[in-house]
Amino acid sequence: ETGVTQSPTHLIKTRGQQVTLRCSSQSGHNTVSWYQQALGQGPQFIFQYYREEENGRGNFPPRFSGLQFPNYSSELNVNALELDDSALYLCASSLGAGDSQATGAFFGQGTRLTVV
Amino acid sequence: AQSVTQLGSHVSVSEGALVLLRCNYSSSVPPYLFWYVQYPNQGLQLLLKYTSAATLVKGINGFEAEFKKSETSFHLTKPSAHMSDAAEYFCAVRRNTPLVFGKGTRLSVIA
Repeated sequence: ETGVTQSPTHLIKTRGQQVTLRCSSQSGHNTVSWYQQALGQGPQFIFQYYREEENGRGNFPPRFSGLQFPNYSSELNVNALELDDSALYLCASSLGAGDSQATGAFFGQGTRLTVV
Repeated sequence: AQSVTQLGSHVSVSEGALVLLRCNYSSSVPPYLFWYVQYPNQGLQLLLKYTSAATLVKGINGFEAEFKKSETSFHLTKPSAHMSDAAEYFCAVRRNTPLVFGKGTRLSVIA
């Protein structure tokens, strides 16, 4: 068990709606990253938060946004949901700076989002 | 830019046989390399990592991987497959970037 928890585990939304996914990071980790994993694909980086600031973003539109809180937990918000947003959303916590990256990232179990 | 290529989207082995999952990377700086495993409907679990120390890295569940700079490879092996090894395996690279994953290799183990 990694100590990274995500909620909810499953979610069904209608196209055009908005969704918020939540992640509690592992104790001592100051960096949270979010990934989208479509069926049969590897995880794709959405964005990363380090000490409450976004410090990296993948190729995702602005309707994907996030927050990190002082306790390093995080939210992923997606507006105007599209059918292609259906995927497993993974949260990962890590130590973000320098060689601490060598520890790798610890993933939660994911939130399965289905958009109908 | 960093990238990872996993050769073979699906590998099938018999129980007790050697497991070999291939990963080649591209990185302009010395990379950190990782193998993750994903069981159905689960998140990713770290199997092992290369962080510029020993080139032969041992991980959990009997897996190991060897970093070969000349071949830009980081293949994952296990001497004897077990039924419980059936899962999706992802190779990933990072160095001053978020993790960049390959597309994954599904390992099937036949009794």
